[in-house]
Amino acid sequence: AQTVTQSQPEMSVQEAETVTLSCTYDTSESDYYLFWYKQPPSRQMILVIRQEAYKQQNATENRFSVNFQKAAKSFSLKISDSQLGDAAMYFCAYRGSNYQLIWGAGTKLIIKP
Amino acid sequence: GAVVSQHPSWVICKSGTSVKIECRSLDFQATTMFWYRQFPKQSLMLMATSNEGSKATYEQGVEKDKFLINHASLTLSTLTVTSAHPEDSSFYICSARPTWTGWRQPQHFGDGTRLSIL
Repeated sequence: AQTVTQSQPEMSVQEAETVTLSCTYDTSESDYYLFWYKQPPSRQMILVIRQEAYKQQNATENRFSVNFQKAAKSFSLKISDSQLGDAAMYFCAYRGSNYQLIWGAGTKLIIKP
Repeated sequence: GAVVSQHPSWVICKSGTSVKIECRSLDFQATTMFWYRQFPKQSLMLMATSNEGSKATYEQGVEKDKFLINHASLTLSTLTVTSAHPEDSSFYICSARPTWTGWRQPQHFGDGTRLSIL
């Protein structure tokens, strides 16, 4: 069975600085997707970025980028120039062939002004 | 595009009553919808997968008779919490998979329903 592990319950960063959130996963599938979702206090699930396993190039969305290491089964999220609006829970998620999402436990990101 | 509306956003009711939560895809058809439950400060837990026109597939440990799921049309799935008790209080979120896309497209999430049972 697939698993997703986020080992950082909480992270804090100074505004305008860079922070990296860690995520590791386990799977025997070769084709899958990885996602980072943001959940602010409103509890709405917001898709931040996604990565296809067969693509070697790391995905980038403005200030958000990932470091995808397929062999190591690692999928970290880097947030550059952190802003107060980035404060939220961040969830790493895996999706395989059955389309179901497997979620990590989440990392609470605190932005210090 | 790809908007999912979940209603109500917050409901408070007495113990023993049944509560229905609706999940609608507003601008697309969704053959498959998912229902999640989220406890405070925890991750999402998949409760069931709902397929239009067929019975829902429940995850292990989820009571089928407690959490009734109906997916009668391509744009609407409902979750009914029957004879709700305080331990059913939680945040419930639905998501939908557009029919017209392949598996490479992401799910689209509703804004969630906060259920409080007194």
